[in-house]
This record gives sequence, structure tokens and C-alpha cells, in this order.
Amino acid sequence: NAGVTQTPKFQVLKTGQSMTLQCAQDMNHNSMYWYRQDPGMGLRLIYYSASEGTTDKGEVPDGYNVSRLKKQNFLLGLESAAPSQTSVYFCASSYSSQREGRFKVEQFFGPGTRLTVL
Amino acid sequence: AQKITQTQPGMFVQEKEAVTLDCTYDTSDPSYGLFWYKQPSSGEMIFLIYQGSYDQQNATEGRYSLNFQKARKSANLVISASQLGDSAMYFCAMREGSFSGGYQKVTFGTGTKLQVIP
Repeated sequence: NAGVTQTPKFQVLKTGQSMTLQCAQDMNHNSMYWYRQDPGMGLRLIYYSASEGTTDKGEVPDGYNVSRLKKQNFLLGLESAAPSQTSVYFCASSYSSQREGRFKVEQFFGPGTRLTVL
Repeated sequence: AQKITQTQPGMFVQEKEAVTLDCTYDTSDPSYGLFWYKQPSSGEMIFLIYQGSYDQQNATEGRYSLNFQKARKSANLVISASQLGDSAMYFCAMREGSFSGGYQKVTFGTGTKLQVIP
């Protein structure tokens, strides 16, 4: 049971290059997320997916695209990398359930991808 | 107005004592949830606890409890019996909208750096 895995762990791109960040989870979770974290800040939601085949924009979707063709995979694409996209990217998956009258949520994060765009 | 406010940039607590990390929020969405996350210096992001806006009881997860005061719009994290391993950055976050898809917004606070003193 690996949880949430991300590849690559580190990446350096030149301005204008494209790449795909990969995220996989083996917990059969419906919901998956992509966040970015800039230095000294909390996370910002880029895109999320409530279920296989569906995706929705978060707070900062410009310059990114996503795909959720399989339940276990959520891919984040950078179409034409810009220095402003230098950040640490976290993928997460979550499940929610109603238990004893409470709405219970658990969320699991990948280790992050540190991306530098020159 | 700030959506999520964490007024304590840094805090110290003696080992084995309890500590409260403050978080206030602002939303007009009737359906929302509050999260707390821990980020050690290693950089990983760890989900700690979740409280839904409709949950009547305060959430608890082991040594973590969320003191949810809806009228005051506060969702403070209480860590009981602090341990050295609790030293980390703690982020409060709010989700507005639905987990099941469509509109969803996630806003993070600026974080509180907690240091546990032996």
C-alpha cells in the first residue's frame, strides 16, 4: 500500500517547455487534487477531480491542464512553462463518509514535486 | 476580508503541555469545512483533522481536537500532550462548496510555526 505517489520528485524546465506531473493513489479514493505551494505560503488549489473522468478548476488553473482517465491517476500538465510556475506541487487524494452522524474526511498527500522553471 | 486568518506566526509550547492554534474564517457559503494540516521541516504535508459546517460535535483525532465555534467563525486546533515531533508549521484551511463536484474553493491560512521545547 504505497498511498499517494508523485513523479518526478524534482524537475528543472526552461521557459516554454512542457511537461506532465504524475500522481497515483492505490486507496481507491474518488477525489484527487493538485495544489501548489510557493515559499512561505499555504497551498493553493490548481485543479481537483471528484471522480474518474471529471475535473474542475481550483483557484489557480491558468497555464495548467489535467486529466483523470483512470481512477487511480491524476495528471497535471504544464503547457508552456513560465518562471511563475516555479513551486512545489502536491497531489492529494481523499475520501469522505457519513459516520455516526458526522461527515468524516481523510486526505492523503504525495511527497511533492519541486519544479524550477528557468 | 481574509478568508482564513491565523494570527500566530509562531508559538512555543513545553513538551507534554497542551497548545491551541488559532484560526478564524470568513464565508457566506452554508456548506463549508475546516481542515488542519501539519508540515514538518521535511516539507511533507500531513492532514490532521476535518470539521464540517453541519457537524454538531467537535472533531477529534487522537491528540488533535478542533474547537469549532460556528457563531464566532473560529476553528482552533488543540494539541494535547505536545511531543517534540509536533514541531512543525500548521496550516488551517477552508473548503467552500461540495466534495461531490462542481464548485469548490479551498483557501489556506498563512500558517503557525509551532516549536515544542523539551
